[in-house]
Amino acid sequence: QQPVQSPQAVILREGEDAVINCSSSKALYSVHWYRQKHGEAPVFLMILLKGGEQKGHEKISASFNEKKQQSSLYLTASQLSYSGTYFCGTEIGVAGGYQKVTFGIGTKLQVIP
Amino acid sequence: DAEITQSPRHKITETGRQVTLACHQTWNHNNMFWYRQDLGHGLRLIHYSYGVQDTNKGEVSDGYSVSRSNTEDLPLTLESAASSQTSVYFCASSNDPKGLAPPGVVIFGPGTRLTVL
Repeated sequence: QQPVQSPQAVILREGEDAVINCSSSKALYSVHWYRQKHGEAPVFLMILLKGGEQKGHEKISASFNEKKQQSSLYLTASQLSYSGTYFCGTEIGVAGGYQKVTFGIGTKLQVIP
Repeated sequence: DAEITQSPRHKITETGRQVTLACHQTWNHNNMFWYRQDLGHGLRLIHYSYGVQDTNKGEVSDGYSVSRSNTEDLPLTLESAASSQTSVYFCASSNDPKGLAPPGVVIFGPGTRLTVL
Protein backbone atom coordinates (compact mmCIF):
# COMPACT_ATOMS: atom_id res chain seq x y z
CA GLN A 1 0.00 0.00 0.00
CA GLN A 2 1.39 3.35 -1.05
CA PRO A 3 2.20 5.90 1.65
CA VAL A 4 0.19 9.11 1.53
CA GLN A 5 2.01 12.36 0.82
CA SER A 6 0.82 15.90 1.39
CA PRO A 7 0.62 18.41 -0.08
CA GLN A 8 0.51 17.18 -3.67
CA ALA A 9 2.01 20.41 -4.95
CA VAL A 10 3.55 23.56 -3.51
CA ILE A 11 4.99 26.77 -4.95
CA LEU A 12 7.59 28.67 -2.97
CA ARG A 13 9.55 31.85 -3.44
CA GLU A 14 13.29 31.62 -2.98
CA GLY A 15 14.17 31.70 0.69
CA GLU A 16 10.84 30.37 1.94
CA ASP A 17 10.44 27.16 3.92
CA ALA A 18 8.31 24.11 3.17
CA VAL A 19 7.25 20.89 4.86
CA ILE A 20 6.25 17.71 3.04
CA ASN A 21 4.49 15.00 4.98
CA CYS A 22 4.36 11.26 4.49
CA SER A 23 2.17 8.81 6.39
CA SER A 24 1.55 5.08 6.33
CA SER A 25 -1.13 2.84 7.76
CA LYS A 26 1.46 0.18 8.59
CA ALA A 27 4.29 0.01 11.09
CA LEU A 28 7.46 1.14 9.37
CA TYR A 29 11.06 0.03 9.54
CA SER A 30 12.39 2.96 7.56
CA VAL A 31 11.41 5.97 5.50
CA HIS A 32 13.31 7.11 2.40
CA TRP A 33 13.20 10.50 0.71
CA TYR A 34 14.06 11.04 -2.96
CA ARG A 35 13.96 14.01 -5.33
CA GLN A 36 13.29 13.76 -9.05
CA LYS A 37 14.02 16.49 -11.56
CA HIS A 38 11.95 16.59 -14.71
CA GLY A 39 13.03 13.90 -17.18
CA GLU A 40 15.52 12.37 -14.76
CA ALA A 41 15.64 9.45 -12.37
CA PRO A 42 14.82 9.87 -8.68
CA VAL A 43 17.86 10.61 -6.55
CA PHE A 44 18.33 9.58 -2.93
CA LEU A 45 18.22 12.33 -0.31
CA MET A 46 18.13 10.52 3.02
CA ILE A 47 16.91 7.50 4.90
CA LEU A 48 15.50 7.42 8.40
CA LEU A 49 15.59 4.17 10.29
CA LYS A 50 13.35 3.07 13.11
CA GLY A 51 14.93 4.23 16.33
CA GLY A 52 17.20 6.63 14.48
CA GLU A 53 17.66 10.35 14.81
CA GLN A 54 16.50 13.18 12.64
CA LYS A 55 18.61 13.38 9.51
CA GLY A 56 19.93 16.43 7.70
CA HIS A 57 21.29 17.18 4.25
CA GLU A 58 22.39 20.78 3.65
CA LYS A 59 19.24 22.78 4.35
CA ILE A 60 17.01 19.76 3.97
CA SER A 61 16.19 17.65 7.01
CA ALA A 62 13.64 15.03 7.95
CA SER A 63 12.03 13.46 10.98
CA PHE A 64 10.41 10.10 11.58
CA ASN A 65 7.66 9.53 14.14
CA GLU A 66 7.56 5.77 14.58
CA LYS A 67 4.44 5.75 16.75
CA LYS A 68 2.40 7.62 14.18
CA GLN A 69 4.08 6.03 11.13
CA GLN A 70 4.75 9.49 9.81
CA SER A 71 7.71 11.33 8.37
CA SER A 72 8.20 14.96 7.44
CA LEU A 73 10.73 16.53 5.08
CA TYR A 74 11.78 20.08 5.95
CA LEU A 75 13.21 22.40 3.31
CA THR A 76 14.53 25.66 4.73
CA ALA A 77 15.59 28.78 2.87
CA SER A 78 14.59 27.15 -0.41
CA GLN A 79 16.74 27.56 -3.51
CA LEU A 80 15.79 27.31 -7.18
CA SER A 81 17.67 23.99 -7.29
CA TYR A 82 15.17 22.48 -4.84
CA SER A 83 12.49 22.39 -7.54
CA GLY A 84 11.36 18.90 -8.44
CA THR A 85 9.10 16.12 -7.29
CA TYR A 86 9.76 14.68 -3.85
CA PHE A 87 8.91 11.08 -3.11
CA CYS A 88 8.76 9.35 0.21
CA GLY A 89 9.35 5.63 0.23
CA THR A 90 8.41 3.36 3.08
CA GLU A 91 9.80 0.02 4.09
CA ILE A 92 8.01 -2.46 6.27
CA GLY A 93 10.42 -4.63 8.19
CA VAL A 94 10.59 -8.17 6.86
CA ALA A 95 12.13 -11.14 8.59
CA GLY A 96 15.61 -11.73 7.23
CA GLY A 97 16.30 -8.07 6.67
CA TYR A 98 15.33 -7.92 3.02
CA GLN A 99 13.58 -4.80 1.87
CA LYS A 100 11.35 -3.41 -0.80
CA VAL A 101 10.41 0.22 -0.84
CA THR A 102 6.90 1.43 -1.64
CA PHE A 103 6.71 4.99 -2.91
CA GLY A 104 4.05 7.64 -2.57
CA ILE A 105 2.53 9.64 -5.43
CA GLY A 106 5.00 12.46 -4.91
CA THR A 107 4.90 16.16 -4.04
CA LYS A 108 5.70 18.59 -6.83
CA LEU A 109 7.66 21.52 -5.47
CA GLN A 110 8.40 24.62 -7.53
CA VAL A 111 10.68 27.38 -6.30
CA ILE A 112 10.31 30.69 -8.09
CA PRO A 113 12.59 33.77 -7.95
CA ASP B 1 32.26 3.82 -11.46
CA ALA B 2 29.35 1.57 -10.58
CA GLU B 3 26.11 2.29 -12.38
CA ILE B 4 22.72 1.04 -13.51
CA THR B 5 21.98 1.12 -17.23
CA GLN B 6 18.70 0.55 -19.01
CA SER B 7 18.06 -0.17 -22.66
CA PRO B 8 16.46 0.94 -24.79
CA ARG B 9 15.90 4.46 -23.43
CA HIS B 10 12.92 4.95 -25.71
CA LYS B 11 10.71 2.32 -27.31
CA ILE B 12 7.58 2.47 -29.45
CA THR B 13 5.74 -0.78 -30.01
CA GLU B 14 2.35 -2.05 -31.10
CA THR B 15 -0.38 -3.65 -29.07
CA GLY B 16 0.08 -7.39 -28.71
CA ARG B 17 3.85 -7.47 -29.28
CA GLN B 18 6.26 -8.90 -26.76
CA VAL B 19 8.72 -6.36 -25.42
CA THR B 20 11.77 -6.81 -23.20
CA LEU B 21 13.40 -3.97 -21.30
CA ALA B 22 16.96 -4.57 -20.16
CA CYS B 23 18.48 -3.54 -16.84
CA HIS B 24 22.14 -4.02 -15.93
CA GLN B 25 23.83 -2.93 -12.70
CA THR B 26 27.48 -3.02 -11.71
CA TRP B 27 26.93 -2.16 -8.03
CA ASN B 28 26.98 -5.85 -7.16
CA HIS B 29 23.66 -5.35 -5.37
CA ASN B 30 21.54 -8.34 -4.49
CA ASN B 31 18.23 -6.46 -4.61
CA MET B 32 16.78 -5.30 -7.91
CA PHE B 33 13.42 -3.69 -8.68
CA TRP B 34 11.24 -2.57 -11.55
CA TYR B 35 8.95 0.43 -11.09
CA ARG B 36 6.62 2.19 -13.48
CA GLN B 37 5.89 5.88 -13.20
CA ASP B 38 2.61 7.40 -14.30
CA LEU B 39 1.10 10.80 -13.65
CA GLY B 40 -1.08 10.68 -10.58
CA HIS B 41 0.26 7.31 -9.45
CA GLY B 42 3.87 8.02 -8.59
CA LEU B 43 6.25 5.07 -8.64
CA ARG B 44 4.60 1.67 -8.48
CA LEU B 45 6.46 -1.57 -7.96
CA ILE B 46 6.09 -4.17 -10.71
CA HIS B 47 8.50 -6.97 -9.76
CA TYR B 48 11.50 -7.35 -7.51
CA SER B 49 14.30 -9.78 -6.81
CA TYR B 50 16.43 -10.39 -3.75
CA GLY B 51 19.00 -12.51 -5.55
CA VAL B 52 19.71 -14.96 -8.35
CA GLN B 53 16.73 -17.18 -9.15
CA ASP B 54 14.52 -15.14 -6.79
CA THR B 55 11.62 -13.09 -8.18
CA ASN B 56 8.54 -11.60 -6.52
CA LYS B 57 5.41 -9.82 -7.68
CA GLY B 58 4.85 -6.21 -6.79
CA GLU B 59 1.67 -4.12 -6.73
CA VAL B 60 1.14 -3.99 -10.51
CA SER B 61 2.63 -7.22 -11.87
CA ASP B 62 -0.16 -8.34 -14.23
CA GLY B 63 1.13 -8.55 -17.80
CA TYR B 64 4.79 -8.42 -16.77
CA SER B 65 7.43 -11.03 -15.99
CA VAL B 66 11.07 -11.02 -14.87
CA SER B 67 13.86 -13.54 -14.52
CA ARG B 68 17.12 -13.30 -12.58
CA SER B 69 19.87 -15.56 -13.90
CA ASN B 70 22.79 -13.52 -12.55
CA THR B 71 23.46 -10.71 -10.09
CA GLU B 72 23.82 -7.95 -12.68
CA ASP B 73 20.69 -8.27 -14.82
CA LEU B 74 16.93 -8.18 -14.32
CA PRO B 75 15.13 -7.96 -17.69
CA LEU B 76 11.44 -7.00 -17.68
CA THR B 77 9.19 -8.64 -20.28
CA LEU B 78 5.78 -7.46 -21.37
CA GLU B 79 4.21 -10.63 -22.71
CA SER B 80 1.61 -8.92 -24.89
CA ALA B 81 1.92 -5.15 -24.77
CA ALA B 82 -1.22 -3.12 -24.04
CA SER B 83 -1.84 0.62 -24.33
CA SER B 84 -2.26 0.74 -20.54
CA GLN B 85 1.41 -0.21 -20.26
CA THR B 86 2.54 3.03 -21.86
CA SER B 87 4.70 4.48 -19.11
CA VAL B 88 8.20 5.34 -17.94
CA TYR B 89 9.92 2.30 -16.47
CA PHE B 90 12.67 2.56 -13.88
CA CYS B 91 14.96 -0.22 -12.87
CA ALA B 92 16.57 0.13 -9.45
CA SER B 93 18.87 -1.75 -7.12
CA SER B 94 19.81 -1.63 -3.47
CA ASN B 95 22.27 -3.14 -1.11
CA ASP B 96 21.29 -5.54 1.65
CA PRO B 97 20.60 -3.91 5.01
CA LYS B 98 23.76 -5.57 6.35
CA GLY B 99 25.86 -4.32 3.47
CA LEU B 100 27.98 -1.23 3.13
CA ALA B 101 26.55 1.91 4.71
CA PRO B 102 24.15 3.47 4.06
CA PRO B 103 22.13 0.25 3.85
CA GLY B 104 18.98 -0.04 1.84
CA VAL B 105 19.41 3.03 -0.37
CA VAL B 106 17.64 2.52 -3.67
CA ILE B 107 19.61 3.59 -6.74
CA PHE B 108 17.62 4.19 -9.92
CA GLY B 109 18.55 3.68 -13.53
CA PRO B 110 17.90 6.45 -16.09
CA GLY B 111 14.51 5.05 -17.15
CA THR B 112 12.91 3.71 -20.33
CA ARG B 113 10.03 5.54 -21.93
CA LEU B 114 7.72 2.96 -23.52
CA THR B 115 4.85 3.85 -25.82
CA VAL B 116 2.37 1.18 -26.86
CA LEU B 117 0.26 2.14 -29.89
